[in-house]
Amino acid sequence: AQSVAQPEDQVNVAEGNPLTVKCTYSVSGNPYLFWYVQYPNRGLQFLLKYITGDNLVKGSYGFEAEFNKSQTSFHLKKPSALVSDSALYFCAVRPDSGGYNKLIFGAGTRLAVHP
Amino acid sequence: DAGVTQSPTHLIKTRGQQVTLRCSPKSGHDTVSWYQQALGQGPQFIFQYYEEEERQRGNFPDRFSGHQFPNYSSELNVNALLLGDSALYLCASSPDTGGATQYFGPGTRLLVL
Repeated sequence: AQSVAQPEDQVNVAEGNPLTVKCTYSVSGNPYLFWYVQYPNRGLQFLLKYITGDNLVKGSYGFEAEFNKSQTSFHLKKPSALVSDSALYFCAVRPDSGGYNKLIFGAGTRLAVHP
Repeated sequence: DAGVTQSPTHLIKTRGQQVTLRCSPKSGHDTVSWYQQALGQGPQFIFQYYEEEERQRGNFPDRFSGHQFPNYSSELNVNALLLGDSALYLCASSPDTGGATQYFGPGTRLLVL
């Protein structure tokens, strides 16, 4: 079955420290990978995506993600966290074959950045 | 340029009733997808509309139906509401190109009592 796993319900990090939010996927073929962020009582905001090419993808607000095909992972990273980064982060995958634009989401990881 | 808009923002219904949610896609986008996000969970794909046809559907019962209009806006209808239908309903739009990013609206929060 196609799935996305975000193994951490919550990640805590001090402001100024680097952060990593983990994501692994189980999808056949060559999927497209996405990260979205959700602030309280808001919809999902697009951060970045990987389709092909360089395994390190840069996105909005200083975030980046590294695609690792052998480990089927797509971890979200930021070199220096801000308190304003505190939010709910979702990893999503678009299956390669016949999936049109259907997205499969992970359960989400809550990021808490402490001053 | 307005992004994806949804209405209403909040809705309260009772079991057995019917509800209609509305979505206007981002300018230039012709594909609309609907997702259900239950509390504490990730969004679950309901269905996708393109050229006024449902072209893909997730694991949702027939009580969930939709429509897309010639201007690409869309409606989600849910009949015979159950308590478990309480959720945030998200609309996303994109152009119909491979790898296109889906942009989400703010959602409609539905509470079924």
